[in-house]
Amino acid sequence: DQQVKQNSPSLSVQEGRISILNCDYTNSMFDYFLWYKKYPAEGPTFLISISSIKDKNEDGRFTVFLNKSAKHLSLHIVPSQPGDSAVYFCAATVNTNAGKSTFGDGTTLTVKP
Amino acid sequence: DVKVTQSSRYLVKRTGEKVFLECVQDMDHENMFWYRQDPGLGLRLIYFSYDVKMKEKGDIPEGYSVSREKKERFSLILESASTNQTSMYLCASSPSGGTNSYEQYFGPGTRLTVT
Repeated sequence: DQQVKQNSPSLSVQEGRISILNCDYTNSMFDYFLWYKKYPAEGPTFLISISSIKDKNEDGRFTVFLNKSAKHLSLHIVPSQPGDSAVYFCAATVNTNAGKSTFGDGTTLTVKP
Repeated sequence: DVKVTQSSRYLVKRTGEKVFLECVQDMDHENMFWYRQDPGLGLRLIYFSYDVKMKEKGDIPEGYSVSREKKERFSLILESASTNQTSMYLCASSPSGGTNSYEQYFGPGTRLTVT
């Protein structure tokens, strides 16, 4: 039972346009969500997060939207840059789980110059 | 600046060997994690530890064990390596308490090949 799903394995966008990465979850107990970015041969790095009490969190070019009723979150990157090309992982956690997160499969974003 | 280091970037072992993967973090984090990453399967949690000598099974603990004798060090042990354990292994750490505990800091990974 995969509790966090990223249904698009890959996404390709043109530089300067918007990138939208999607994530769906099934466990209604999740109350905090994170996005990580991973370059080849490196470990993932934290990008942005959102608490379940919010529906939007913005940090520069990156915005995460949460729709709790649909159990869906999305990451928007505007404008996209070639350096954003990476694998993006969505993660979800429950407050009582000692920091343990459940990760999605990842989406490979390619931003073309 | 948080730093998580892993003992090897690349490792080649033979089937049946005992394999040790070491992870060290320098930020006094309580929580430490071991994941494996496989194409199309994302990050799967093998074991995690929320304190010295404490450990809990993750989603795929079979064939693995862990050791945490010191707060900064978390070791993953493959008792008898098999070819289906060929994978990228990632270690992570996080502080305890509040929403800061949710953000994990990852090491660079160890690419293990079992032949």
